[in-house]
Amino acid sequence: GENVEQHPSTLSVQEGDSAVIKCTYSDSASNYFPWYKQELGKGPQLIIDIRSNVGEKKDQRIAVTLNKTAKHFSLHITETQPEDSAVYFCAASTGFQKLVFGTGTRLLVSP
Amino acid sequence: ETGVTQSPTHLIKTRGQQVTLRCSSQSGHNTVSWYQQALGQGPQFIFQYYREEENGRGNFPPRFSGLQFPNYSSELNVNALELDDSALYLCASSLAGTKETQYFGPGTRLLVL
Repeated sequence: GENVEQHPSTLSVQEGDSAVIKCTYSDSASNYFPWYKQELGKGPQLIIDIRSNVGEKKDQRIAVTLNKTAKHFSLHITETQPEDSAVYFCAASTGFQKLVFGTGTRLLVSP
Repeated sequence: ETGVTQSPTHLIKTRGQQVTLRCSSQSGHNTVSWYQQALGQGPQFIFQYYREEENGRGNFPPRFSGLQFPNYSSELNVNALELDDSALYLCASSLAGTKETQYFGPGTRLLVL
């Protein structure tokens, strides 16, 4: 079955810096890759997603890139703000709506 | 907010008991998926319901069961609770036949003593 690895497990940046979180997946049939942000005591919130027919997608300060050959996708956050501090999860799906999640990255943005 | 609601927010049970968790999906969504999130880990897929039928299941034993109702709301039932069942239980709703995008509720935190 699908396996998703996520790095780093923790990431500390200064406000205004960029943050990059990387994930790799094992199943070449995976074609949908969402990213979720989870704040303490809350459920995961979808922040951006990408499908396998697209190499890059941007939404304001957030971007996701996908390299299907390497089975690798990344989340890029620019101009980080303290409110970006949370746990971020990548996930992969083969299209049958079962999401396989990575282990999470705790992002801390210091003022 | 996603419009997905779950109840209760917190629950404490003892080993061997049974528990029922509830989820109301986002308006217009006909598919509900359940996930278990242990502390410090990513969510793990339990199962999915579409048109009141189970539509895929993860690596969870049969004592985890579910229901979906005509209004698309759903229940997760866990029998013979074990200490390792302590976790945050999340439901996610989506619209079958279109995108795979899943929207999560706030979760129910279950503690088994």
